[in-house]
Amino acid sequence: DAKTTQPTSMDCAEGRAANLPCNHSTISGNEYVYWYRQIHSQGPQYIIHGLKNNETNEMASLIITEDRKSSTLILPHATLRDTAVYYCIVRDNAGNMLTFGGGTRLMVKP
Amino acid sequence: GAGVSQSPSNKVTEKGKDVELRCDPISGHTALYWYRQSLGQGLEFLIYFQGNSAPDKSGLPSDRFSAERTGGSVSTLTIQRTQQEDSAVYLCASSLHGIGYGYTFGSGTRLTVV
Repeated sequence: DAKTTQPTSMDCAEGRAANLPCNHSTISGNEYVYWYRQIHSQGPQYIIHGLKNNETNEMASLIITEDRKSSTLILPHATLRDTAVYYCIVRDNAGNMLTFGGGTRLMVKP
Repeated sequence: GAGVSQSPSNKVTEKGKDVELRCDPISGHTALYWYRQSLGQGLEFLIYFQGNSAPDKSGLPSDRFSAERTGGSVSTLTIQRTQQEDSAVYLCASSLHGIGYGYTFGSGTRLTVV
């Protein structure tokens, strides 16, 4: 599976959009981009995933560049409860386990 | 049940004792995963079950660790002769056929070896 690179940490003001970047320059054609997050003391939670097109759901939006070498997770109106570690993972949809890297620790501040 | 259930939620054991951790996945989910997370660290993959296939044990750190899944449902992770470095939160997840967007994690078992 392709490797991903994320910033170690980011801050965001409450109510503002949080934009979390992820680089995956070695992604292959059949690999999806998945985002999960882990709030303190809980198991990871699925957020969103995509292949080529931008995606939006009730939690977030996922913007994937045309060359698919990077993506951005957008939380449109961050709240204090969005403080968590956000993991960007690349894998084909039928592969084995998801491999979680270090993720980005997002701190939403009042 | 509605989610992945793990028990116990907390376990304190003495060094050298054996422990068993249980995971009850979402009904119908064919794939089951065990991960562990040491304090302040990321998730470390341990083992993966998919249907009736042989499990992927490539993440087990030593032969003191083993897991089984009975009847394609409940799974037990066993750690023999526990060591202090085994202290961590052990997380179980299940997904439908192993697809990447469907992982549902349990709340984990916090294991402390004293």
